[in-house]
Formats: sequence, structure tokens, C-alpha cells
Amino acid sequence: AQKITQTQPGMFVQEKEAVTLDCTYDTSDPSYGLFWYKQPSSGEMIFLIYQGSYDQQNATEGRYSLNFQKARKSANLVISASQLGDSAMYFCAMRGGKAAGNKLTFGGGTRVLVKP
Amino acid sequence: GAGVSQSPSNKVTEKGKDVELRCDPISGHTALYWYRQSLGQGLEFLIYFQGNSAPDKSGLPSDRFSAERTGGSVSTLTIQRTQQEDSAVYLCASSFTGQARPGANVLTFGAGSRLTVL
Repeated sequence: AQKITQTQPGMFVQEKEAVTLDCTYDTSDPSYGLFWYKQPSSGEMIFLIYQGSYDQQNATEGRYSLNFQKARKSANLVISASQLGDSAMYFCAMRGGKAAGNKLTFGGGTRVLVKP
Repeated sequence: GAGVSQSPSNKVTEKGKDVELRCDPISGHTALYWYRQSLGQGLEFLIYFQGNSAPDKSGLPSDRFSAERTGGSVSTLTIQRTQQEDSAVYLCASSFTGQARPGANVLTFGAGSRLTVL
């Protein structure tokens, strides 16, 4: 079975600083995908970034980058130059291959509050 | 449509009543998921439909929960004899699965249906 763990329930970050959100995973599938979603207080789920298990380079999308360490089974999200609008819940998720039924499994989330 | 549409956006019901929640996915998306999110919690997988394959029902918490997807498009999640612990936001998501990198297919979520059982 696949499992996603986010060990930081909440954290504060100063505006304009970088923040790293931890995510570790466990799967027996050799092929899988890792996703990060943002959920602001409005409740919508916003896709941020994707990393494939066979990707050679870490994914980047604007101020978001994914620190993918395959041997450690970690996929930490780095948000650079934090903005007040970054305050939200952040969820790490994994989609395994056929063995996992291709379903997307989410971690418990990390709440980020950006301080001015 | 342009996005995933869910209805109703809010539903208040009495304990013991049945409820139906509807999801209209993005046109052309073959995969459809239902998740449940309790207040301040993460997303709990409920059920997954992929094309004409048998759905993955492994996340349904009890036999009071069921879902169907008609014509490969609209899906209805039904909760029978609702209990107070069923109160949550029910999120629907859909994705396309035709890309060369199947793991990259991003889920697009609806705004959710907030269910309150009194």
C-alpha cells in the first residue's frame, strides 16, 4: 500500500523568506508521480507542481520547486520569496502505478501562515 | 464545461436521511475521484472511476456509501441513512489519462459539497 506523510502540521514563515514543506512517501511501485496542492481558506484545491519518479531533474514552477530525493523517498516542496497569499494548507499527494490502482493518495497537510 | 462542477454546494440534512451529491467532470476526462475532507483534515479517498473499468471502491467507509457514474460522465455519490460523522466537505476531481506520462495527469477539483448532518 502507498502512504504519504507530512510531519509538519503547521508553520510560520516571514514574508519574502523561503520555506520548505516536508513530504515522505512509501510505495512498492517503481513508477509513480508526486504532486503538491495548495488549499487556501476558500477551500479550492490548486495544483502547484508535479514530479515523476523517473524524472532526472527536480521540478520547478515559478516560485515552487520540488526537492526530490528518491533514495530517501522524500519530495519536499520549497516556496521561495513567500508572499502573504501563500498562507494556506499544502498537501502532498502520490499516484502510484497499476499496483496501487492509479489512485491519488494525500498526506495530512501542512498549514502555512506567512507573516508580514 | 470549463471546470468540475459539484452540486449542491451546501447541504444540511437530518440524521437518518439519504443524500445525493452530484459531480459533473471536465468534458473528456476519463478519470473521476471522490474524496472526503473533514474540518481541518486531509483528503480521504472514497472512490475512483476510470473509463469503463470497474470502480475502485476501496475507500468507501461503509455500505451506506455508494457512487455511480453514468455514461462515463456525471457521477452521483449517495449516502444513505446519514450520520453526524458523515458531516464533511465532499470533493470531486477529474483528470485526463491519455497522456504519455500517465502519472502526470493532474486532478482538477471541484469546489466541493459541504454536508452537515444534524
